[in-house]
Amino acid sequence: QKEVEQDPGPLSVPEGAIVSLNCTYSNSAFQYFMWYRQYSRKGPELLMYTYSSGNKEDGRFTAQVDKSSKYISLFIRDSQPSDSATYLCAMSLYNFNKFYFGSGTKLNVKP
Amino acid sequence: DADVTQTPRNRITKTGKRIMLECSQTKGHDRMYWYRQDPGLGLRLIYYSFDVKDINKGEISDGYSVSRQAQAKFSLSLESAIPNQTALYFCATSDLPDSRKGEQFFGPGTRLTVL
Repeated sequence: QKEVEQDPGPLSVPEGAIVSLNCTYSNSAFQYFMWYRQYSRKGPELLMYTYSSGNKEDGRFTAQVDKSSKYISLFIRDSQPSDSATYLCAMSLYNFNKFYFGSGTKLNVKP
Repeated sequence: DADVTQTPRNRITKTGKRIMLECSQTKGHDRMYWYRQDPGLGLRLIYYSFDVKDINKGEISDGYSVSRQAQAKFSLSLESAIPNQTALYFCATSDLPDSRKGEQFFGPGTRLTVL
């Protein structure tokens, strides 16, 4: 069993829709949770990060962590065609020595 | 100029050939990583290094070796390339844990094809 599971999609939504992306994990020792965005033919870039459980909001993006369920989510409000990319969740232990990535969900926002 | 650069950007090689992928960074980070990305499998860690003398295997190190020539340079070698090493390879750096941000900075990737 992989330590981090993520639905690969693809996910196709109309412009303006609310998007929900999710990951589950098996290691209860993970403390830091991140979402990376990867455009085609580019390296991933950090979008959001959260420590432990709770919510974090940044503009149209909200990251949620539920450690009791080992489940994390990224919500995108008012989605735009420029949000079309692959979104990867990532997790780390307290020391950041290694990062564990999900397989990525490909999102397409149609104009 | 890009903070993390990778060379070459694309490479086609034949089975059995030795190939080296190079990574350089100007961010001044001590920690550097090599990942491969395959469709449906996401990013998998090959090797990581916390300084010039500290190199560690990741989850899929078999068939690969690395060299940390300096703080800014981290090379990945395939001693005898095989077709299932065809993938997109990324180098990444990160700051010390003190930042508490968990951010890795990725290079643009090297697309490697082994025939």
